[in-house]
Amino acid sequence: DGGITQSPKYLFRKEGQNVTLSCEQNLNHDAMYWYRQDPGQGLRLIYYSQIVNDFQKGDIAEGYSVSREKKESFPLTVTSAQKNPTAFYLCASSIDLNRSNGYTFGSGTRLTVV
Amino acid sequence: GESVGLHLPTLSVQEGDNSIINCAYSNSASDYFIWYKQESGKGPQFIIDIRSNMDKRQGQRVTVLLNKTVKHLSLQIAATQPGDSAVYFCAEIPNQAGTALIFGKGTTLSVSS
Repeated sequence: DGGITQSPKYLFRKEGQNVTLSCEQNLNHDAMYWYRQDPGQGLRLIYYSQIVNDFQKGDIAEGYSVSREKKESFPLTVTSAQKNPTAFYLCASSIDLNRSNGYTFGSGTRLTVV
Repeated sequence: GESVGLHLPTLSVQEGDNSIINCAYSNSASDYFIWYKQESGKGPQFIIDIRSNMDKRQGQRVTVLLNKTVKHLSLQIAATQPGDSAVYFCAEIPNQAGTALIFGKGTTLSVSS
């Protein structure tokens, strides 16, 4: 079955550590996205990638980094510069950036700072 | 900046009632709108979409209405069931190259038996 997989489902980070969230898709989608969701809030865009080896900052990119070395993979690193990283992180993909039929979302990673 | 918002953060209905969830958008140039359903601890799931050249689209038990004059979008759920309890988000794609989907804050729908 085609889909988008995020791992791990739960992640705990100590203060000052970098952590990397995985996102893999086998839908042959060109575009991929990372969103952050806080309780009672909508989804805020962190980074997105239209194509391999290209990515753009979203609305809240500070303290995060990404790479897009393969079409299937778009990992997100939460760096120690992100002062409030506790949140639910959602990865998504779409056929292309615009004119798409919507996004397919992963099941999310809940990151908690301990 | 552009934003998509919902009128009410919560909506409570009885099982069997019809539900209407509203959304106001600010970018008149947006030409594609989507409704998503998100259950607790899961990623959003696509429900229905509509393009700006339409004012109504129907799916199974759901209808989306688009009023471009007042920049208003609504999701109607017929015969609401307990399984419909979730957070509902509207989202728009501005008609602007290189722009990702913009989400509203969401409405939590609670269905009681």
